[in-house]
Amino acid sequence: EAGVAQSPRYKIIEKRQSVAFWCNPISGHATLYWYQQILGQGPKLLIQFQNNGVVDDSQLPKDRFSAERLKGVDSTLKIQPAKLEDSAVYLCASSLDHGTVETQYFGPGTRLLVL
Amino acid sequence: AQSVTQLGSHVSVSEGALVLLRCNYSSSVPPYLFWYVQYPNQGLQLLLKYTSAATLVKGINGFEAEFKKSETSFHLTKPSAHMSDAAEYFCAVSESGSEKLVFGKGTKLTVNP
Repeated sequence: EAGVAQSPRYKIIEKRQSVAFWCNPISGHATLYWYQQILGQGPKLLIQFQNNGVVDDSQLPKDRFSAERLKGVDSTLKIQPAKLEDSAVYLCASSLDHGTVETQYFGPGTRLLVL
Repeated sequence: AQSVTQLGSHVSVSEGALVLLRCNYSSSVPPYLFWYVQYPNQGLQLLLKYTSAATLVKGINGFEAEFKKSETSFHLTKPSAHMSDAAEYFCAVSESGSEKLVFGKGTKLTVNP
């Protein structure tokens, strides 16, 4: 079974530029998550989708971050404009369904450096 | 609000020695607790989870953790460390009925030959 795929793996941009990350979850997984992992910290949930609807985006900085999950499969996370403090690893995860006991499967992440 | 505290950002053990990674949680309702491992340049992988069944939970790669409500702890142990256990370990909590995971800051485990 293929895991969660993310691209690109690495991205370097200058502040005020825009950037987009792509995630393809495990086939059949209804729930998709985007996390931000700053160096030296644990992952922090940015947004959760159930199929193509948003379940939780309370920690998404909506003035600069946006995410969509068209057709309930792939998802993109965009930052526009980027700030220095956005430098982090962006992790995508998926789970079969929603529910506390469902295991979240993580992709390898996209490492973003903002200069 | 839920929170997780992992004591020790770095732990170093010798190969074959006991591994003990500490995790304390704060939750206003019965929690669900998780341990994840992250190898360099990879995503997180679930080691084990506690979901209000047996308090001693066995996971993959010989790891186990014990839920102790009185101590609000969920420490991760492995009897004998292997070189391949070198990685970063994250403890996470969620409240029952919520899917939102709150992670600790992680503990980097080094295994010395």
